[in-house]
Amino acid sequence: GEDVEQSLFLSVREGDSSVINCTYTDSSSTYLYWYKQEPGAGLQLLTYIFSNMDMKQDQRLTVLLNKKDKHLSLRIADTQTGDSAIYFCAERSGGYQKVTFGTGTKLQVIP
Amino acid sequence: EAGVTQFPSHSVIEKGQTVTLRCDPISGHDNLYWYRRVMGKEIKFLLHFVKESKQDESGMPNNRFLAERTGGTYSTLKVQPAELEDSGVYFCASSLLTGQNTEAFFGQGTRLTVV
Repeated sequence: GEDVEQSLFLSVREGDSSVINCTYTDSSSTYLYWYKQEPGAGLQLLTYIFSNMDMKQDQRLTVLLNKKDKHLSLRIADTQTGDSAIYFCAERSGGYQKVTFGTGTKLQVIP
Repeated sequence: EAGVTQFPSHSVIEKGQTVTLRCDPISGHDNLYWYRRVMGKEIKFLLHFVKESKQDESGMPNNRFLAERTGGTYSTLKVQPAELEDSGVYFCASSLLTGQNTEAFFGQGTRLTVV
């Protein structure tokens, strides 16, 4: 079945860039997502990328996709303390609603 | 506009008891999903409703779990009898029916602790 893997923890200093990595196994993945969960809150969709794209940039967020290696990354420029949260990588195959999530990476931003 | 709301936010029950979680999707959203995150692990899909019909329940762990969505509005997820391994955070999400990549909006989750 589908599998999505992430490292569990990342610590960065405020103002630095954060890079959160994710690998997935489903070669038919069509949509790849990054969700953010702040303490006590639900999952918030941050950004997504179609599998036919290599990169997507949205303000401080840059998503890179290496489809050959099934590797997805999320770069947060100028990381702020408000970026501290758990970030989930997720994938979905086209025409199918079920989303497969990774374990989540807890990002800690040190002031 | 109200988002996806889940009740209760926390629940602590004893092993063997019954618990019912509720999810109110965004009004007009025909798709409703249940997911679960067991401590430190990935968020796993449980099931998917389209209106009142179960479209996919392949993620339901066993027959102690029963999900309903009578009338195609809110949904309930009942665990009976609860076991220790059922502890975790249960998320509900909803989305519009149209469009292949329609965004799913998540609730804040219900943290279930079985002791």
